[in-house]
Amino acid sequence: GAVVSQHPSWVICKSGTSVKIECRSLDFQATTMFWYRQFPKQSLMLMATSNEGSKATYEQGVEKDKFLINHASLTLSTLTVTSAHPEDSSFYICSARSPEGSNTEAFFGQGTRLTVV
Amino acid sequence: DAKTTQPPSMDCAEGRAANLPCNHSTISGNEYVYWYRQIHSQGPQYIIHGLKNNETNEMASLIITEDRKSSTLILPHATLRDTAVYYCIVRASGSARQLTFGSGTQLTVLP
Repeated sequence: GAVVSQHPSWVICKSGTSVKIECRSLDFQATTMFWYRQFPKQSLMLMATSNEGSKATYEQGVEKDKFLINHASLTLSTLTVTSAHPEDSSFYICSARSPEGSNTEAFFGQGTRLTVV
Repeated sequence: DAKTTQPPSMDCAEGRAANLPCNHSTISGNEYVYWYRQIHSQGPQYIIHGLKNNETNEMASLIITEDRKSSTLILPHATLRDTAVYYCIVRASGSARQLTFGSGTQLTVLP
């Protein structure tokens, strides 16, 4: 199946700093990518939908100025956590769907474990 | 997208078949049933999906009831590496929307 790669797989940062997470579709072009967040022992919660060449759509309760999303190409979307705080510590996961066909499955990155200290 | 209901946890002996149920009684005609699993601290992994016919691939089989209100994911010979949270998701065909994850079933394969 298709491959979606996230980088880094884990990161530790100090409070107040910013962290960028990259999501790449390695062998297909993704017009739409999704960013999820997962807290311990909870399910994945959608944060935002990233569309190539346009502004991201954020879910209710997700601050767009804090979680900056850029989808500048068909193979790369980035999520920047700005002014990170300990409560932003979480597992961040991206997903992409191939635009070919209407019932193709979604592919997920391996996730990024963010720890803010 | 239709809501799904899964048991929170299940155990299975290694080498035995693991049968994971999912109820989706409000599924509509154009909605597919998808199964994903998430091994601890990894991203979700696609397993299988189907509309109304039973499906089989190298990972699992998907049995969908005739009325489509429920389905069962079958791992024919469970191994310890199959221990994961399994998510059943219903999604309309042609939808560009995200997958909505419920709480899933924690499958623990016991040695």
